[in-house]
Amino acid sequence: QKEVEQNSGPLSVPEGAIASLNCTYSDRGSQSFFWYRQYSGKSPELIMSIYSNGDKEDGRFTAQLNKASQYVSLLIRDSQPSDSATYLCAVNKSGGYNKLIFGAGTRLAVHP
Amino acid sequence: EPEVTQTPSHQVTQMGQEVILRCVPISNHLYFYWYRQILGQKVEFLVSFYNNEISEKSEIFDDQFSVERPDGSNFTLKIRSTKLEDSAMYFCAIRPLNGGTDTQYFGPGTRLTVL
Repeated sequence: QKEVEQNSGPLSVPEGAIASLNCTYSDRGSQSFFWYRQYSGKSPELIMSIYSNGDKEDGRFTAQLNKASQYVSLLIRDSQPSDSATYLCAVNKSGGYNKLIFGAGTRLAVHP
Repeated sequence: EPEVTQTPSHQVTQMGQEVILRCVPISNHLYFYWYRQILGQKVEFLVSFYNNEISEKSEIFDDQFSVERPDGSNFTLKIRSTKLEDSAMYFCAIRPLNGGTDTQYFGPGTRLTVL
């Protein structure tokens, strides 16, 4: 079982729609969860962090965490073509010095 | 958001040569990390550096790799004898001292090409 799993996509949504990105993780002891956006050839850019069960909203982005189901999601409302990128789910490995375990990423394409 | 710069942006080297990749955080930080991303693959943890020593390293980080903070500001990753499979993007990440979170911020990366 992969430590962090994401659907590779591509996920194609029309401009203005809601994009829903999902992630599951295997380490039940994980405490911190992150969504990064990565444009082609660029570095990961932090979008959201979430630590507690439930929803966390920041502008057009909402992160959702369900530790019992070991599931994290990211919703992007009013999707824009500029949101087209690969979205990386990262989980902080329990214990140690907080190394991040990344999923392979979901490629999102927002078409006009 | 903390600023991190990396140099060079692109390094081309011959197999067997040594390379040094540099990370320069703009302000003071305690936790440093190196990750790499082979083209088309996921971001992989290499090593974490805390209080001027390695705190954790992955299986990838073998004897060919080393890290140091030579002058208290720059944070370097050295690959002693590069192999073709070392070709990848290398990202430095920092975790700020303040804020009470464990969020990591990534530098722009160095693209290493081994010929």
